[in-house]
Amino acid sequence: DTAVSQTPKYLVTQMGNDKSIKCEQNLGHDTMYWYKQDSKKFLKIMFSYNNKELIINETVPNRFSPKSPDKAHLNLHINSLELGDSAVYFCASSPAGDTEAFFGQGTRLTVV
Amino acid sequence: AQSVTQLGSHVSVSEGALVLLRCNYSSSVPPYLFWYVQYPNQGLQLLLKYTSAATLVKGINGFEAEFKKSETSFHLTKPSAHMSDAAEYFCAVSSTGANNLFFGTGTRLTVIP
Repeated sequence: DTAVSQTPKYLVTQMGNDKSIKCEQNLGHDTMYWYKQDSKKFLKIMFSYNNKELIINETVPNRFSPKSPDKAHLNLHINSLELGDSAVYFCASSPAGDTEAFFGQGTRLTVV
Repeated sequence: AQSVTQLGSHVSVSEGALVLLRCNYSSSVPPYLFWYVQYPNQGLQLLLKYTSAATLVKGINGFEAEFKKSETSFHLTKPSAHMSDAAEYFCAVSSTGANNLFFGTGTRLTVIP
């Protein structure tokens, strides 16, 4: 009965590869997000999707592309992976007009 | 623009002692303020939030925080630390709610038996 679930939990890949991280929420929330947590634990929002419309893009490189097939899913595709992309990526969701975000368990991406 | 400063990247307390984690914010509009906790290898869990109601906010696991506008602070406290409180704690601010959270750099709490 996990509220926000991400797969995979760990991902190790080589530079230049393309990878995807999946996120699903079963809370019926209208908005979903992707956050990046770097090696210093700093969290920064990458994308926000509301009813399948992108509403925030925080100057993230265009190698990163969010894809939302429906309201319950927001997947993150990353092309041409670089060493600096190594981080923990968190998916989150929130109901319309609410102040609370619910986070997934995170995906630790390591680029070698 | 919003920002958050968490004073002290590491805080150590003895079991049973007072926990005080500091957070100061900057916001040009009345803010929403949050404390999240991250246990090792886990996601973020909301401890408590301030949304312009009562200035003293009670959260889960015995934590509370007080919004002080004059000091632009939202410090997190717990009267008596428990070993299970050892984790990373993040303060966050937003002007519009969950869709635009700005996080601090976190404070790692260590509880000494």
